Amino acid sequence: QKEVEQNSGPLSVPEGAIASLNCTYSDRGSQSFFWYRQYSGKSPELIMFIYSNGDKEDGRFTAQLNKASQYVSLLIRDSQPSDSATYLCAGDRGSTLGRLYFGRGTQLTVWP
Amino acid sequence: DGGITQSPKYLFRKEGQNVTLSCEQNLNHDAMYWYRQDPGQGLRLIYYSQIVNDFQKGDIAEGYSVSREKKESFPLTVTSAQKNPTAFYLCASSIRTGGSEQYFGPGTRLTVT
Repeated sequence: QKEVEQNSGPLSVPEGAIASLNCTYSDRGSQSFFWYRQYSGKSPELIMFIYSNGDKEDGRFTAQLNKASQYVSLLIRDSQPSDSATYLCAGDRGSTLGRLYFGRGTQLTVWP
Repeated sequence: DGGITQSPKYLFRKEGQNVTLSCEQNLNHDAMYWYRQDPGQGLRLIYYSQIVNDFQKGDIAEGYSVSREKKESFPLTVTSAQKNPTAFYLCASSIRTGGSEQYFGPGTRLTVT
């Protein structure tokens, strides 16, 4: 079982819609979760991190964490064509080693 | 400007040659990481280092070697023992280990023929 799993997509939404990206994790000891955006041919860019149950909002982005159900999600409101990218979910394992486990990513396309 | 630099951006090598990829950061981060990304795949951890002169193997360390002689630098050597070296190599760093966010360099795309 993979530590972090994402729907591989691709996900396609119209401009202005809400894009919802989901991720599940297997280790109940995991504490920290991260969302990265990766444009084609580029390196991942950190866009959100969340440590506590509930929602965390930053502009058009909202990260949601539900530790009881072991899932993390990213909502992108008012989606723009420039949001078209692959989104990577990552989590730790609650140990002190600090390494992150990455999902395979969900490819998002926002069409005008 | 603070950040992570990787060089070169593109690297071409013949099979059987060792090659070293550079990673430097001026963020004063303690921890550094090397990942490999193949098309359609997630990131796979090669090696990571929490402090100077210490490093640990990740999930796919075979055929790779690293050193951490300075806090700012974490070079990766891809040896001839690595069976499928062609990939996108990403270096990252974080303030500390234990769940802190990681920031990535621009990456090096290695092609071995």
